[in-house]
Amino acid sequence: AQKVTQAQTEISVVEKEDVTLDCVYETRDTTYYLFWYKQPPSGELVFLIRRNSFDEQNEISGRYSWNFQKSTSSFNFTITASQVVDSAVYFCALSDAAAGNKLTFGGGTRVLVKP
Amino acid sequence: KAGVTQTPRYLIKTRGQQVTLSCSPISGHRSVSWYQQTPGQGLQFLFEYFSETQRNKGNFPGRFSGRQFSNSRSEMNVSTLELGDSALYLCASSSGPGLAYEQYFGPGTRLTVT
Repeated sequence: AQKVTQAQTEISVVEKEDVTLDCVYETRDTTYYLFWYKQPPSGELVFLIRRNSFDEQNEISGRYSWNFQKSTSSFNFTITASQVVDSAVYFCALSDAAAGNKLTFGGGTRVLVKP
Repeated sequence: KAGVTQTPRYLIKTRGQQVTLSCSPISGHRSVSWYQQTPGQGLQFLFEYFSETQRNKGNFPGRFSGRQFSNSRSEMNVSTLELGDSALYLCASSSGPGLAYEQYFGPGTRLTVT
C-alpha cells in the first residue's frame, strides 16, 4: 500500500528565510511518481512538480528546489528566500504503477511567511 | 487554454438530501478524478473516470457515485447526505489514464451539510 508522510504540520518563517518541507513515502512498486502541490487559501491545488522514480536528479525552478533520495524514500522541497505569497499548504503526493492516476497525499504542511 | 472548472463553487445542503457536483476538464483531457478534502481525513481519492468508464474507486460508501459523459465532463453524486460529507470536493483532469500523466485540479466545490 502507498503512504506519504509529511511530519511537519506547520512551519512559520520570516520573509527571505529558506524553508524546507519534508516528505517521506512508502510504496512496493519500483515505478512510481512523486508530486508536490501548493494549496493557497482559495483552495485550488496548484501543480508544482512531478518526478518519476528513475530520475534522482535534483531539480531547481526559480526559488523552488527538490531533493529526491530513493535511499531514504524522501522527496523534500525547499523554498529559497521565502516571500509572503508562498504562504499556503503544501502537499506531497505519490502515484505508483498499481494506483495509476490515483494520488495518495500526505497530510500537508502549512507554511506561514511573515513580512 | 481554460483550466478545470467546477460548479457550483459553494453549496449548502440539509442532512438526508442529495447533491450533484459538476466538473469540466481541460479541453482535450479525457481522464477525470475526484477527491474529498476534510480537516480530519485530508485529501482522499474518490474515483477516476476515463472515456466514460470508471477505472478506479476509493474507499467510500455507495452513497458516493459518479459518471462521465462523452464530452469528458464528469458529475459526482452524493445521496442521503450526512454531516460528515461536509468537505471540499476537488476534481482533477489529465490527458490520459496512466501513471505518466500530470493531473491538474479545479478550484473545488465546498459542500456544507447542516
